[in-house]
Amino acid sequence: QKEVEQNSGPLSVPEGAIASLNCTYSDRGSQSFFWYRQYSGKSPELIMSIYSNGDKEDGRFTAQLNKASQYVSLLIRDSQPSDSATYLCALSGDMRFGAGTRLTVKP
Amino acid sequence: SAVISQKPSRDICQRGTSLTIQCQVDSQVTMMFWYRQQPGQSLTLIATANQGSEATYESGFVIDKFPISRPNLTFSTLTVSNMSPEDSSIYLCSVAGGPRSAEEQYFGPGTRLTVT
Repeated sequence: QKEVEQNSGPLSVPEGAIASLNCTYSDRGSQSFFWYRQYSGKSPELIMSIYSNGDKEDGRFTAQLNKASQYVSLLIRDSQPSDSATYLCALSGDMRFGAGTRLTVKP
Repeated sequence: SAVISQKPSRDICQRGTSLTIQCQVDSQVTMMFWYRQQPGQSLTLIATANQGSEATYESGFVIDKFPISRPNLTFSTLTVSNMSPEDSSIYLCSVAGGPRSAEEQYFGPGTRLTVT
């Protein structure tokens, strides 16, 4: 069974700062990596996918993948209070999720 | 992405009874999944709903407790049988398949179950 580790937090950052969320995984064969955002009381929504080493940017979000070190991260630039949510990472293959990191952005 | 609906959105049930949750997708999808999310916890995969055959259950989940049907490519049901308060949770269905990867998942709104 593949392991996905996330710091459950909570992580608190001031508005406008960069929030850094990290995920490590055990299966070197994993090819695809996903970040989901879950607002309180809502279901998860896919926000980023990354498939190759390096950075992938989408607006204020940047996903970073390092397969050699087996980690994937999500950076949120210019954090806004509306970014306050739990962020879940997931790997390809077995549809399992990390424990999630709860992010709070303080005005 | 697919539009997914679930019914009921919430329910309060007595212990010992059963509840069937429905998941409807607006397009045909190959992969459908059922998850449980207990308060403050992450998602736990219950099973993969297979069209035309028995569901594939994860460790710790059995068909007698969580029977699943998948009669076609747009619909699935999950039944929570002989409920106990420990079954109080949010139950989510999801489908997989997106423009870049067959493993991008999209979730229904969830069913909040309380067992008294």
